[in-house]
Amino acid sequence: DQQVKQNSPSLSVQEGRISILNCDYTNSMFDYFLWYKKYPAEGPTFLISISSIKDKNEDGRFTVFLNKSAKHLSLHIVPSQPGDSAVYFCAASAINPAGSYQLTFGKGTKLSVIP
Amino acid sequence: NAGVTQTPKFRILKIGQSMTLQCTQDMNHNYMYWYRQDPGMGLKLIYYSVGAGITDKGEVPNGYNVSRSTTEDFPLRLELAAPSQTSVYFCASSYYPQGVEETQYFGPGTRLLVL
Repeated sequence: DQQVKQNSPSLSVQEGRISILNCDYTNSMFDYFLWYKKYPAEGPTFLISISSIKDKNEDGRFTVFLNKSAKHLSLHIVPSQPGDSAVYFCAASAINPAGSYQLTFGKGTKLSVIP
Repeated sequence: NAGVTQTPKFRILKIGQSMTLQCTQDMNHNYMYWYRQDPGMGLKLIYYSVGAGITDKGEVPNGYNVSRSTTEDFPLRLELAAPSQTSVYFCASSYYPQGVEETQYFGPGTRLLVL
């Protein structure tokens, strides 16, 4: 049972255009959402996050939007650059039965930005 | 600051062999985590630790063991390697609990192949 879903395994975008990566979740107990970026042969690195009490968070070229009623979040990258080519993971946080926060990751979306 | 380091980078094991994946962080983080990433899948939490001497199971703990004798080190032990444990293993750490206005810092990963 996938609680965090990234339904697009890959996305290709022209340099300078907008990249939109989508993520859906099913667990209404998730209260914090994060995006991680991963290059080949490296570990994931944190990109941007959003609390469930907000609907938007911006950091430079990156903006995350959260629609709680639809259980949907999206990452916008504007303008897209070739260096943005990577796999992007959506992750969501909730308290587990042991009382600790735990992250649940989506399968990732591979973004290719074409020069 | 080296961040999170993992050794080895790559290892081939025979079925039934055992090994320890090493993880060290130099950021004085309390929280440490082990994830595995299977091809085309998201990261799944194996074990985590909230401080020296305290560990707990994640989503997929079977076949693994951990210990946390110091703040810096969090080794992952495979006792009887099985082909299903072929994966890329990531160690991560954070100062605060994950998902609470905090991000995790990941190591570069250990690629394990069990034949």
